[in-house]
Amino acid sequence: ETGVTQTPRHLVMGMTNKKSLKCEQHLGHNAMYWYKQSAKKPLELMFVYNFKEQTENNSVPSRFSPECPNSSHLFLHLHTLQPEDSALYLCASSQAPTPASGGNGRFFGPGTRLTVL
Amino acid sequence: GENVEQHPSTLSVQEGDSAVIKCTYSDSASNYFPWYKQELGKGPQLIIDIRSNVGEKKDQRIAVTLNKTAKHFSLHITETQPEDSAVYFCAAAGRRALTFGSGTRLQVQP
Repeated sequence: ETGVTQTPRHLVMGMTNKKSLKCEQHLGHNAMYWYKQSAKKPLELMFVYNFKEQTENNSVPSRFSPECPNSSHLFLHLHTLQPEDSALYLCASSQAPTPASGGNGRFFGPGTRLTVL
Repeated sequence: GENVEQHPSTLSVQEGDSAVIKCTYSDSASNYFPWYKQELGKGPQLIIDIRSNVGEKKDQRIAVTLNKTAKHFSLHITETQPEDSAVYFCAAAGRRALTFGSGTRLQVQP
């Protein structure tokens, strides 16, 4: 148990559906992240939030919309996804967002396995 | 941007043997190198890390070495056990983001 929870753990959706992924961290961290993990590809950073403010968007398509209402919660809203968006979506948190201090993800949640039909 | 290459992609060892996973990075400004272990159905978990002012770090059966000149770093697992079977990721922290390697699937045969 890393202190980062994600719901749902599995999600199957059609291309016209709208769904949301939820992440909650119980570690008192200030930075939160969304990563995409696809088969045979390195982990891809999608979004970075520091103190509730988005500080990084790695050219993610607009069909993925993040929301960070407070430092403990992070959402990823999904709409009109494509089959190639099927992947494991990982949330992570860290005390510090800077790479030198070990930021960009020290504690990962278990992920949401997303399948787009 | 940073580019991290990781080898091998799969590694099979007998229980009790050692396992070595190697990574190279491209950005000479990178100064933080963590290693993650991902078991089936779980997210990656940090198992050891090293900063660029240190050449080697050990934690029980695992160790990491860093060669800044050659820009490569390695994970060493000694006396492997079946529970070490997992996917291992290296990463390098550059000027902006933490860049991950593509992963090594380690299988420890009992």
